[in-house]
Amino acid sequence: EVQLLESGGGLVQPGGSLKISCAASGFTFSSYAMSWVRQAPGKGLEWLSVISGSGGSTHYADSVKGRFTISRDTSKNTLYLQMNSLRGEDTAIYYCSFDMRHWGQGTFVTVSS
Amino acid sequence: DIVVIQSPESLAVSLGERVTINCKSSQSALYSFNNKNYLAWYQQKPGQPPKLLIYWASSRESGVPDRFSGSGSGTDFTLTISSLQAEDVAVYYCQQYLTPPFTFGGGTKVEIK
Repeated sequence: EVQLLESGGGLVQPGGSLKISCAASGFTFSSYAMSWVRQAPGKGLEWLSVISGSGGSTHYADSVKGRFTISRDTSKNTLYLQMNSLRGEDTAIYYCSFDMRHWGQGTFVTVSS
Repeated sequence: DIVVIQSPESLAVSLGERVTINCKSSQSALYSFNNKNYLAWYQQKPGQPPKLLIYWASSRESGVPDRFSGSGSGTDFTLTISSLQAEDVAVYYCQQYLTPPFTFGGGTKVEIK
């Protein structure tokens, strides 16, 4: 059974950093591009970033480019999102997903003083 | 970047009636080399991650009821629910996945009248 389990969310001050993770199981992790998508409270879905199966190619939304870094560790079957220079508008549920049909339950990040 | 606009933002329809949601992309989502439209539709219920309904603009995901259908090509797409059921109350999103950033539409909230 495919499982995606996000973790690492929490409260962080504006300007701070946070690294969230997505532990994957039930499929060949290295075969799939992985994405991060977020949803601010009461708002729509916002695509953030994608990383190729090999990790050699990445893309970002303009809203996070230069602040967020997506990475993956195939040995740990884990996807990461390093978030720096966090702002209030980054407050959201952060989902990892792949193949469009598989999503985690999300981890909540709150940016507030 | 491709901008994706959904309409309407919300609608209320009687049980058993037809629902039509529109999605327009600022650039064609059609990849001419394989003649596929890189456009997906999702359903999201409160407290849940999105659920893939339709991919390649008109291919229904396994297990999705056949009252859900997708149509369109190029820049204009439609999600149709042929006969609204109570369990279809949700927010629906389209997403282009041709060119990163893989942008989502703003969402359409479907309610029962």
